Amino acid sequence: DAKTTQPNSMESNEEEPVHLPCNHSTISGTDYIHWYRQLPSQGPEYVIHGLTSNVNNRMASLAIAEDRKSSTLILHRATLRDAAVYYCILDRDDKIIFGKGTRLHILP
Amino acid sequence: NAGVTQTPKFQVLKTGQSMTLQCAQDMNHEYMSWYRQDPGMGLRLIHYSVGAGITDQGEVPNGYNVSRSTTEDFPLRLLSAAPSQTSVYFCASTSRPSGVVRETQYFGPGTRLLVL
Repeated sequence: DAKTTQPNSMESNEEEPVHLPCNHSTISGTDYIHWYRQLPSQGPEYVIHGLTSNVNNRMASLAIAEDRKSSTLILHRATLRDAAVYYCILDRDDKIIFGKGTRLHILP
Repeated sequence: NAGVTQTPKFQVLKTGQSMTLQCAQDMNHEYMSWYRQDPGMGLRLIHYSVGAGITDQGEVPNGYNVSRSTTEDFPLRLLSAAPSQTSVYFCASTSRPSGVVRETQYFGPGTRLLVL
């Protein structure tokens, strides 16, 4: 199974950028990196994904290290509504495994 | 589209009782899966299916059965409920494109199960 490592929790001030790290040292050449987030009392929702190049969408940016053994999810301007658990996942095979994720606290 | 729907939203069972958690999707997705989430924990994969008639075990399959007779439905059965199965259960689905990239997973709202 594809493994990722994330910090248990992080804090950030409102309206400041947030960088959420993820280590995936066992990543293979065809593994896509996906990020999901889970708001309180809801199911997870997709945030962003990438393979090698950095990616941007309306929700966030994904920065992927050159060796692909780590990645960073960037929320450019955090709001209180971004408080959630963020999961970094390697999409490798039919078993889509979630870790414990990072619980992001946003301070007003 | 309704997306991924789950019923019931909440259920209380006594130890030893059986029940089926329902999951349906109307997006013609081939891949469906079940996760459980315990308090303060991440999601753990129970069973998954890559298409009608095909199912396989995830990380924590013991105590649960699944079947996939149609593309739309993927029910999860608890044959003899135990207190350790108290959890929130999420169903998810995604398409399986022919390319390398799998599309995003769409999750249902969850079923909260309490086993006494």
